[in-house]
Amino acid sequence: QLHLQESGSGLVRPSETLSLTCIVSGDSISSGGFSWSWIRQPPGKGLEWIGYIYQSGTSYNNPSLQGRVTLSVDRSKNQFSLNLKYTTDADTAVYYCARRDDWFDPWGQGLLVTVSS
Amino acid sequence: QSALTQPASVSGSPGLSITISCTGTTSDIGSYNYVSWYQQHPGRAPKLIIYGVSKRPSGVSDRFSGSKSGNTASLTISGLQAEDEADYYCSSYTDIPSVIFGGGTTLTVL
Repeated sequence: QLHLQESGSGLVRPSETLSLTCIVSGDSISSGGFSWSWIRQPPGKGLEWIGYIYQSGTSYNNPSLQGRVTLSVDRSKNQFSLNLKYTTDADTAVYYCARRDDWFDPWGQGLLVTVSS
Repeated sequence: QSALTQPASVSGSPGLSITISCTGTTSDIGSYNYVSWYQQHPGRAPKLIIYGVSKRPSGVSDRFSGSKSGNTASLTISGLQAEDEADYYCSSYTDIPSVIFGGGTTLTVL
């Protein structure tokens, strides 16, 4: 059974880069035509799509994040990563990773990242 | 890129049915049959309940159904149960390519 788990720092200082990794287990990140996604949810608010990346390295990001997002995939470690630079308190959220096949399933349990000095 | 439009809240009595609407544009729901719905209980990750407009993943109750007409998708929950009380989000593929979510709907089972 496919399982995704987010890892990374739960506290980031403003203007610094938020870095998260999603560890995939139960199947190869290279199998099928799936893409691998990041979605976030600010406290008490709705879901926001951040981006997704294929195992080939091709990625698509939310234009509203204005080029601050970099996605990468490491097939040897069966994981993919998110870097979000120039963070502000508006980037405080629970960050989820998920497999995407024109829908998102399954999801990781989520990781709360707080941007604060 | 504005969110898809959902009602902020809906409510219904046990055993009855409710429908949650999700309105987009010709750039998303109106052009693609890639609408999905997610259920989220407090403190939990979202769970896929409908994909491809009207398909149910294995293990999801047949009390959940989805449909689409024009730029609006709908989620119907029949035979409401207390466990259905949760937040519900729609999502669609869009031009660019991109993905967009609805603002979410809180379902209260009275």
